[in-house]
Amino acid sequence: DAGVIQSPRHEVTEMGQEVTLRCKPISGHDYLFWYRQTMMRGLELLIYFNNNVPIDDSGMPEDRFSAKMPNASFSTLKIQPSEPRDSAVYFCASSFSVNEQFFGPGTRLTVL
Amino acid sequence: RKEVEQDPGPFNVPEGATVAFNCTYSNSASQSFFWYRQDCRKEPKLLMSVYSSGNEDGRFTAQLNRASQYISLLIRDSKLSDSATYLCVVYRGSYIPTFGRGTSLIVHP
Repeated sequence: DAGVIQSPRHEVTEMGQEVTLRCKPISGHDYLFWYRQTMMRGLELLIYFNNNVPIDDSGMPEDRFSAKMPNASFSTLKIQPSEPRDSAVYFCASSFSVNEQFFGPGTRLTVL
Repeated sequence: RKEVEQDPGPFNVPEGATVAFNCTYSNSASQSFFWYRQDCRKEPKLLMSVYSSGNEDGRFTAQLNRASQYISLLIRDSKLSDSATYLCVVYRGSYIPTFGRGTSLIVHP
């Protein structure tokens, strides 16, 4: 298996633009997580899915953020409109039940 | 009090030294605990799970102290390659992981 795949790896955009981050989890994993990591706040859980269903989105900063998981092999995290304070590394991770989480390489987002 | 707290360090130690990190958690109902390692500009990767009875994996030993609500990671005979940030993870509720901010370790020759 190729592991968790994220795209793009780097994204530079201007304030106000829409940003879409993509994630392909490891086949067979039933949990998918979206995290954001910054120097100031560390690694923060934004939302997680179980069997494609959003379970807890209490970590989503505000309505500008949304996440979907239309099927077991694909998820998106969308920011609209983006702001400079959204600049961070966004990680997607997947796992099978309460076990090791496998992280993707992350998307480094810069909002100018 | 933050849900999961770690000393950010950095811990600067010579090769061969023994170093220990602690991670405290506030929710007494937490049930699952892990240590992850994150190299600079890379994704976190699982280092080891933490079991109630304590567990060892080579030079690494993890322990859980439920009474005092902390977990620990001990690294013996430090190697240059151990230089990284070590993140603790505490699961609360049904399945909600909370990561600590991480402890930075620098092993020098």
